[in-house]
Amino acid sequence: SQQGEEDPQALSIQEGENATMNCSYKTSINNLQWYRQNSGRGLVHLILIRSNEREKHSGRLRVTLDTSKKSSSLLITASRAADTASYFCATDAWAAGNKLTFGGGTRVLVKP
Amino acid sequence: SQTIHQWPATLVQPVGSPLSLECTVEGTSNPNLYWYRQAAGRGLQLLFYSVGIGQISSEVPQNLSASRPQDRQFILSSKKLLLSDSGFYLCAWRPLNLDYGYTFGSGTRLTVV
Repeated sequence: SQQGEEDPQALSIQEGENATMNCSYKTSINNLQWYRQNSGRGLVHLILIRSNEREKHSGRLRVTLDTSKKSSSLLITASRAADTASYFCATDAWAAGNKLTFGGGTRVLVKP
Repeated sequence: SQTIHQWPATLVQPVGSPLSLECTVEGTSNPNLYWYRQAAGRGLQLLFYSVGIGQISSEVPQNLSASRPQDRQFILSSKKLLLSDSGFYLCAWRPLNLDYGYTFGSGTRLTVV
């Protein structure tokens, strides 16, 4: 079964708006990672947040982690058409042998 | 810099035929290597991973096998493909340091007909 579950499954926004997606997981983690996948392509690593971190930024990306609620969020600010992609959270946990477990993803459509 | 190569990009194979997908990594040593499969519109399912030459761990019992004949080479195989083997196969690597994310190949779209 999947460790991470993203919400919403799909998101449609206008260019310039912010996009927020959430990820919930079930077991204690070492870190949580977010990836982007353009249609028919491989995944690209966006950001990694450790279990002892609460917030992390990378360019227009902002990730938060709440280990008490076992949840994370990814915020993309000032979205662009090029941000159209599927976004996946993945958890890295000792219980899973330090192998990444992926959620089902959020499909984001940014309309120009 | 490190790069990962995965081929072929697309493959159409008849049921019962063999399969061999290859993945190679450049610019690093002793990578952890992974094979994932992605069904259409879904997340990734881990199939195999390897922490060293000849060391393969299987996550899901199935019609597939994996081998690591060299440090930076990871091969996914099947002796007889099933229709259910269709999907998008992704190879990935990461260093031993767990604070780094995975680097994925560009994937192979396999259609079994």
